[in-house]
Amino acid sequence: AQKVTQAQTEISVVEKEDVTLDCVYETRDTTYYLFWYKQPPSGELVFLIRRNSFDEQNEISGRYSWNFQKSTSSFNFTITASQVVDSAVYFCALSEAPNRDDKIIFGKGTRLHILP
Amino acid sequence: EPEVTQTPSHQVTQMGQEVILRCVPISNHLYFYWYRQILGQKVEFLVSFYNNEISEKSEIFDDQFSVERPDGSNFTLKIRSTKLEDSAMYFCASSAAGMENIQYFGAGTRLSVL
Repeated sequence: AQKVTQAQTEISVVEKEDVTLDCVYETRDTTYYLFWYKQPPSGELVFLIRRNSFDEQNEISGRYSWNFQKSTSSFNFTITASQVVDSAVYFCALSEAPNRDDKIIFGKGTRLHILP
Repeated sequence: EPEVTQTPSHQVTQMGQEVILRCVPISNHLYFYWYRQILGQKVEFLVSFYNNEISEKSEIFDDQFSVERPDGSNFTLKIRSTKLEDSAMYFCASSAAGMENIQYFGAGTRLSVL
């Protein structure tokens, strides 16, 4: 069965520190997608990244980077030089890819507080 | 930038009343979804919809729920007789053919059942 585990319920760091949000997933499929979404205090869900299961290259986008390791079924998210605006709940998610309309399974989220 | 639009942003209703939550997906998208998030909890899949029919639904999506795309632009979620436990944030999402599984979410409708 599909499952996404975000063991860190809440993290607080001081501004400018680096922070890594952990994500471990379970799936029986060999083809799947992994996602990160951000939910700021205003409540909307903001798409950050999608990673195909066949692409294990790490990705960097500005201060954000993602480390995908199939061997440990992990898809961790690092924010470098954190800023107060990064404060939000971050959800890791999984979708099994064979069908185009597959549902997304979300983890429980990690609430990130960036302290000024 | 195109976006998924949901109305209203907040709906308050009495237990037992019917509610309709409305969504306008991104215009060239063909796949539509509803998710819900009970306060402080994770986002849960409710239903997916393609080609004017339900593709998949979760255990949460019981007979009290229905979805419709009445006019080619709106995508609605109806809860026939609301219960207290239906209080949650409801998110609509859509995705385009050829952009498998990148679902873009609306800002959500907060439903409060009293």
